[in-house]
Amino acid sequence: GESVGLHLPTLSVQEGDNSIINCAYSNSASDYFIWYKQESGKGPQFIIDIRSNMDKRQGQRVTVLLNKTVKHLSLQIAATQPGDSAVYFCAEILSGSARQLTFGSGTQLTVLP
Amino acid sequence: ETGVTQTPRHLVMGMTNKKSLKCEQHLGHNAMYWYKQSAKKPLELMFVYNFKEQTENNSVPSRFSPECPNSSHLFLHLHTLQPEDSALYLCASSPVRGGASDTQYFGPGTRLTVL
Repeated sequence: GESVGLHLPTLSVQEGDNSIINCAYSNSASDYFIWYKQESGKGPQFIIDIRSNMDKRQGQRVTVLLNKTVKHLSLQIAATQPGDSAVYFCAEILSGSARQLTFGSGTQLTVLP
Repeated sequence: ETGVTQTPRHLVMGMTNKKSLKCEQHLGHNAMYWYKQSAKKPLELMFVYNFKEQTENNSVPSRFSPECPNSSHLFLHLHTLQPEDSALYLCASSPVRGGASDTQYFGPGTRLTVL
């Protein structure tokens, strides 16, 4: 089976609240993780990445947390806005020369007015 | 815009047709990728090109034929497709394959429908 999976297929949050999207991975050899956002009719858009030697990385309104002990990744979106409604994918890259990106199935985030 | 463009954005074709999808990246990258995205399934990597050389073919049927004439352009030639090939086909690029920066940047995709 796939090595990257998401805990919830859908997530609804109120506008202005914080969102947390979770992702589990099974391969401890993965050393690089990326979150993508895909809006309807568009390709995946890079949001933020994190390497395995870090446990937290912050961007503009987004924070990614990495817990290597339990092989868990999360994306936190602060003050969620209607434009944040999309499908969010986590992806992992195994260390080594192949560097293949493996995607999870995605979580649909819906922001409620 | 991500700097990766794809044409056409939508394509409807019969099973006996031959068509091509085009991808162009304006990011100066050297690696390009084709992915297939079907409903409710994770993205499936199809082909990888690194410095114009095909480095990966993930058991893709021969009715899909990629071509990479230079590091900025990538084509996917289609012939005798099946209805189950209907999907969103995404092109992506990254600086290099296996380099320090592995982030891939995606185009908007071509929505393909096979009748």
